[in-house]
Amino acid sequence: DIQLTQSPSSLSASVGDRVTITCQASQDITSHLNWYQHKPGKVPELLIYDVSTLQTGVPARFTATGSGTHFTLSISSLQPDDSATYYCQQFHNIPNFGGGTKVE
Amino acid sequence: EVQLVESGGGLVQPGGSLRLSCSASGFNFSSYAMHWVRQAPGKGLEYVSTITSNGGSTYYADSVKGRFTISRDNSKNILYLQMSSLRAEETAVYYCVKGKYSTSSGGFGPWGQGTLVTVSS
Repeated sequence: DIQLTQSPSSLSASVGDRVTITCQASQDITSHLNWYQHKPGKVPELLIYDVSTLQTGVPARFTATGSGTHFTLSISSLQPDDSATYYCQQFHNIPNFGGGTKVE
Repeated sequence: EVQLVESGGGLVQPGGSLRLSCSASGFNFSSYAMHWVRQAPGKGLEYVSTITSNGGSTYYADSVKGRFTISRDNSKNILYLQMSSLRAEETAVYYCVKGKYSTSSGGFGPWGQGTLVTVSS
């Protein structure tokens, strides 16, 4: 089974800060990685697919990179609306999710 | 607009069975893979199962393999999840999710509002 380890598990930052979340896979998943945003009281939403492609409507302050086993999601200028838990997910094998990163 | 409406959740005793349904509209249901994802109270997202667009292939998390069965009725635009031998730790909100492609690959979304399954005596 492929394990996805996200770090940090939570972070607190100020409006305008740049934040970066890391997702480490236990084996090579090439480019088979997505990111999701889950706001309190809402359903999760696909944020980025295939490592770095922004879903329609996602602000350009979100960027993501990576390949193989190391992936990152960055928010260039944090906004209050970005408060959420972010999950990475691989679909190289049977899909699974990382443990999540809560951004406050 | 894509709409996914889950139903069938509720209270079930440990060891019991339950069938969840997801009624889909707003897209060509038979062209897309569909997924089930769950979230236990206070926990993260957990993948459950996938079915390809024509129902020809199914995939399961190890934790549910042999106990859960995913299926679909493309004539009625409905996705199902038959769950048996349920355990207390499977208490969760179960989400129906549209796949990005006809196969199991790609992103998961949009998501339904979810249905709560409570496994308790």
